[in-house]
Amino acid sequence: GAVVSQHPSRVICKSGTSVKIECRSLDFQATTMFWYRQFPKKSLMLMATSNEGSKATYEQGVEKDKFLINHASLTLSTLTVTSAHPEDSSFYICSATTGSGGSNQPQHFGDGTRLSIL
Amino acid sequence: GESVGLHLPTLSVQEGDNSIINCAYSNSASDYFIWYKQESGKGPQFIIDIRSNMDKRQGQRVTVLLNKTVKHLSLQIAATQPGDSAVYFCAEIDMGRRALTFGSGTRLQVQP
Repeated sequence: GAVVSQHPSRVICKSGTSVKIECRSLDFQATTMFWYRQFPKKSLMLMATSNEGSKATYEQGVEKDKFLINHASLTLSTLTVTSAHPEDSSFYICSATTGSGGSNQPQHFGDGTRLSIL
Repeated sequence: GESVGLHLPTLSVQEGDNSIINCAYSNSASDYFIWYKQESGKGPQFIIDIRSNMDKRQGQRVTVLLNKTVKHLSLQIAATQPGDSAVYFCAEIDMGRRALTFGSGTRLQVQP
């Protein structure tokens, strides 16, 4: 149980392209979804917190207009990297939880999307 | 600022030995901690968690110890197997935001 699916697993595209990454909770309803970015051999850094039906909360230093997040349903959140450039190349990981405010329900992670911008 | 970090970046053990991975945290207000395992090219996998009102919790072949006095967390893996080879992260959760703060990670290498 508690499976999170991320798609695509890998994408390579040209500079200036916009790329959409999907995060789906397959067998549970995700009250909250999180988007992380991970550089090689580094830890995960939280980019934004996404609650179904409301605007995402972005971490300091993360550009809202560059990384568009939509959480339209309890099972789907999308991250769109707009006008991607080589410096946006990274491993993007989403997680989902059933927890509400103050809850300690575990976050379940997708297997990430390797984004490479040429 | 607040941070969660690890003492050892790489740990190499022999198959069958016990492994201990350590983590230090700085936010004394943290009250929930999680250990994750991340294999190459995959997302983190939940291993075990512990609340701050506990000092020890056991799972299958894994034990997490919490020492709030020195703000230290450890993960013990019994009878380490080649399949345990991965990067292990400790994480602290901000209960208000439910946002995880990850430590820098320790790579566990199991030698056959």
